[in-house]
Amino acid sequence: AQSVTQPDIHITVSEGASLELRCNYSYGATPYLFWYVQSPGQGLQLLLKYFSGDTLVQGIKGFEAEFKRSQSSFNLRKPSVHWSDAAEYFCAVGALEYGNKLVFGAGTILRVKS
Amino acid sequence: ETGVTQTPRHLVMGMTNKKSLKCEQHLGHNAMYWYKQSAKKPLELMFVYNFKEQTENNSVPSRFSPECPNSSHLFLHLHTLQPEDSALYLCASSQGNPGTSGYEQYFGPGTRLTVT
Repeated sequence: AQSVTQPDIHITVSEGASLELRCNYSYGATPYLFWYVQSPGQGLQLLLKYFSGDTLVQGIKGFEAEFKRSQSSFNLRKPSVHWSDAAEYFCAVGALEYGNKLVFGAGTILRVKS
Repeated sequence: ETGVTQTPRHLVMGMTNKKSLKCEQHLGHNAMYWYKQSAKKPLELMFVYNFKEQTENNSVPSRFSPECPNSSHLFLHLHTLQPEDSALYLCASSQGNPGTSGYEQYFGPGTRLTVT
């Protein structure tokens, strides 16, 4: 069955520290992957995506993610976290063989300490 | 208006009421989606429309009735809801074909629904 796992429900980091949010998936042979961010009371905003090509992708707000097919992972990173990054982050996976349906992880809530 | 808009942003309704949620996308997309987001649960896909045709109904109870009159508008008609239906309802849109970036979905701000 298709699934997306975000192992960390909550993560707390200090402002200025680096960040890595984990995402593992079990999906089709040709996955495409996304990271979204959601602030309280808001919809989901697309941070970055991987479809093909370079496995290290850059997104908005200084985020990047690396697709590792051998590990079925797509971890999100940021070298220096800002207080405004506090939000909930969702990893999502689709596959061309499954059409336009995405499967979302349960989310990771990021707290930033000043 | 830009992106994906949803109205109303907040809705309180009784279990015997009938109400509708509206979604409009200004991105020229051909696919639209309804999701339900409940506390402490993953995002649940409810319905998918591609080129105005419903292509996915994820075992959603019949008290939720979607309508897609054109590629830009999507409605969710609600009747005789239960308290457990209280949640944030999100609308999203994407291209109808994967192109070079997959079906990247753009979300509206959501409607916070409370059923009393």
